[in-house]
Amino acid sequence: SQQGEEDPQALSIQEGENATMNCSYKTSINNLQWYRQNSGRGLVHLILIRSNEREKHSGRLRVTLDTSKKSSSLLITASRAADTASYFCATDDNTGKLIFGQGTTLQVKP
Amino acid sequence: NAGVTQTPKFRVLKTGQSMTLLCAQDMNHEYMYWYRQDPGMGLRLIHYSVGEGTTAKGEVPDGYNVSRLKKQNFLLGLESAAPSQTSVYFCASSEIADEQYFGPGTRLTVT
Repeated sequence: SQQGEEDPQALSIQEGENATMNCSYKTSINNLQWYRQNSGRGLVHLILIRSNEREKHSGRLRVTLDTSKKSSSLLITASRAADTASYFCATDDNTGKLIFGQGTTLQVKP
Repeated sequence: NAGVTQTPKFRVLKTGQSMTLLCAQDMNHEYMYWYRQDPGMGLRLIHYSVGEGTTAKGEVPDGYNVSRLKKQNFLLGLESAAPSQTSVYFCASSEIADEQYFGPGTRLTVT
């Protein structure tokens, strides 16, 4: 069964707006990772946040982690058409495996 | 530095046929993984390996076998393909508890 559940399943915004995606998970984790997948391509790693971290930034990306609520959010600021993709959260419980959510499909309209 | 490569990129099989998917990585990673992705779904782990000569089952291992004879290669075999195995298959590699690097995928259709 999937560890992560993402919300919303689909998101459509205008270029320049911010996009927020949420991820909830069920068990204790070592870290949580976010990946992007462009249509027909492999996944690309965006950011990793460890269980003892609460917030992390990378360029226009901001990730938060709340281990008490078992949830994470990914914020993309000042979105661009090139950000159109599917975004997946994945949790690592320190067994060497990642469990992926079903993803959020983001469309950024120019 | 090619990263993670997968062979072949596309394949069509008839029910009952067998095939092997090859994954190769040039980053000297210990961990390697095989996933499948079905339409509108996230990735589901089929098998993984924590080092040369080791393999372990993931979430959906039935109907698949794997081998890791060399550190840089991870092979996924389908002994008797079924239509339910129509999917896109992704290989990935990583260091322990770190980000995973993905290959471009193999699109498999079983008729």
